[in-house]
Amino acid sequence: AQSVTQLDSQVPVFEEAPVELRCNYSSSVSVYLFWYVQYPNQGLQLLLKYLSGSTLVKGINGFEAEFNKSQTSFHLRKPSVHISDTAEYFCAVTRLYSSASKIIFGSGTRLSIRP
Amino acid sequence: NAGVTQTPKFQVLKTGQSMTLQCAQDMNHNSMYWYRQDPGMGLRLIYYSASEGTTDKGEVPNGYNVSRLNKREFSLRLESAAPSQTSVYFCASSEVAETGTEAFFGQGTRLTVV
Repeated sequence: AQSVTQLDSQVPVFEEAPVELRCNYSSSVSVYLFWYVQYPNQGLQLLLKYLSGSTLVKGINGFEAEFNKSQTSFHLRKPSVHISDTAEYFCAVTRLYSSASKIIFGSGTRLSIRP
Repeated sequence: NAGVTQTPKFQVLKTGQSMTLQCAQDMNHNSMYWYRQDPGMGLRLIYYSASEGTTDKGEVPNGYNVSRLNKREFSLRLESAAPSQTSVYFCASSEVAETGTEAFFGQGTRLTVV
């Protein structure tokens, strides 16, 4: 079975500062990894995903994430945040190449941006 | 494209009442999911359906039933609603592809059980 742990429930940062949202996963098989964003009162939309290849993945809105197999981590980063990045961010995992696999989400990290 | 459509968007139920949440996707995806979202707990999987005709329990299935009516539609039923089922419910769909298995989400149903 797969599981995801998001280490921070809330992350406050100042506008234009860098941010890192941490995610660790657990799985006995190869996995896909994702980061989703949820703006207030909306559904979830995909920020980025990791399948294979380069361990640094770039997504929308200037976000990127780095896959680290030895540390089983997939941390999300942005070099300079904006007020519009205020949202909740979810890390997720699913088994690689399996049509019958569940997609499991972490508990979320609420990013709040201070002017 | 509509993507994933959920109805209703809001609902208030009395304890013991029943209701069905509807979900439909127009992306020809095989897999569909129902999640509930509660503060501080992220999204927890209630049920999922890997393909038409199959359903499986997720992390929190108690108190819920599902029906995969056809490839497009996946409904969630609360037979006897309880206050603990007050939550925001999300339906999602996905498809295995070489580019990945990302899930597409509906806008959610905000359910209050009083």
